[in-house]
Amino acid sequence: EPEVTQTPSHQVTQMGQEVILRCVPISNHLYFYWYRQILGQKVEFLVSFYNNEISEKSEIFDDQFSVERPDGSNFTLKIRSTKLEDSAMYFCASLPSPASTDTQYFGPGTRLTVL
Amino acid sequence: DAKTTQPPSMDCAEGRAANLPCNHSTISGNEYVYWYRQIHSQGPQYIIHGLKNNETNEMASLIITEDRKSSTLILPHATLRDTAVYYCIVRPGSSNTGKLIFGQGTTLQVKP
Repeated sequence: EPEVTQTPSHQVTQMGQEVILRCVPISNHLYFYWYRQILGQKVEFLVSFYNNEISEKSEIFDDQFSVERPDGSNFTLKIRSTKLEDSAMYFCASLPSPASTDTQYFGPGTRLTVL
Repeated sequence: DAKTTQPPSMDCAEGRAANLPCNHSTISGNEYVYWYRQIHSQGPQYIIHGLKNNETNEMASLIITEDRKSSTLILPHATLRDTAVYYCIVRPGSSNTGKLIFGQGTTLQVKP
């Protein structure tokens, strides 16, 4: 069964540093997402991406965040200057289309720890 | 905010059916009910979804009331590996983004 993959599984960084989280969505999917989950809290939508542009973003997704699909397979989330409160699990997801017959598949997540 | 209400936690004996309720009293006509689960801190896993008819797949059954204001996810023979947080999510059948809005979910503990 095809799956979404994410690297690294765990990233430790110092406050103020830039991090890039990487995802490889399922190959024939067209819609890509980032979600985050702070420890003990619910999964929160960050951003959706389609046709090489952001289609929707949440209030969390401020100027410190950016997303990119640099080639035909990778989808990245960059945090320019990390804060302590960015510590969380970050999940990538992909979807063939937003039609009801399609389901969103999630990757295993990257645990980001900001010290 | 999430448009669903779920009990925070439930227990189930191993081998028995687990029935997880969800209230979505403000659901719109074009919104589907999706169920996902999250085992420990893994990525959410799709289980099943439906509009108004009952649905069944290899993992579970979904029973939606006639007025569509509530639904029940049924795991017919729960195992210890089904211990997880279960999320009930409503989403338009065809939206421009397909994003999912998660609530707190129900923590299901399957006990031996």
